[in-house]
Amino acid sequence: SQTIHQWPATLVQPVGSPLSLECTVEGTSNPNLYWYRQAAGRGLQLLFYSVGIGQISSEVPQNLSASRPQDRQFILSSKKLLLSDSGFYLCAWSISPGELFFGEGSRLTVL
Amino acid sequence: QQPVQSPQAVILREGEDAVINCSSSKALYSVHWYRQKHGEAPVFLMILLKGGEQKGHDKISASFNEKKQQSSLYLTASQLSYSGTYFCGTDDSGSARQLTFGSGTQLTVLP
Repeated sequence: SQTIHQWPATLVQPVGSPLSLECTVEGTSNPNLYWYRQAAGRGLQLLFYSVGIGQISSEVPQNLSASRPQDRQFILSSKKLLLSDSGFYLCAWSISPGELFFGEGSRLTVL
Repeated sequence: QQPVQSPQAVILREGEDAVINCSSSKALYSVHWYRQKHGEAPVFLMILLKGGEQKGHDKISASFNEKKQQSSLYLTASQLSYSGTYFCGTDDSGSARQLTFGSGTQLTVLP
């Protein structure tokens, strides 16, 4: 069966520090991968999606970036965090466009 | 543009019915419904494709009126386990990779 792992689960970072969130999927090949952000009390905002290794589409201009170094690995990064980067970050995968399977999420607080 | 969900919140007694609406200003190819329990990842409920077919499982069903670009989620004889925040995600590109989610409807079912 397919599983998705996301870490770290929580982190507190100072403004201006770097960020790296990692997501891996097991049990499937060539998944579509996504990074979403959920601000407190808000909906899900698509940040990046990837249909293959090295193929990243950005939905929102920001100081975040994403990379897909391996088929089932998706990384969200920032060189310098802003206060507005705080939120709940969710990685998700799908085989074909349609049902999304979400990871448990990473809660980021920028101070 | 983000779809509009209504109501923003609803409180029910166990066994009562509820309707959650999702409205878009864009022509849609599909509408996706998810439920998120507090502190957890969203879980897929169903997809409604262009064509207006009503779908459902158990006592949760949904419809999609493509002329009005509206979808409604129907929860019949609510159970305590139905509590959570319900999100609709809309696809106006046809690829279903770039869903735009509403801000959610918080449903609370009381005993």
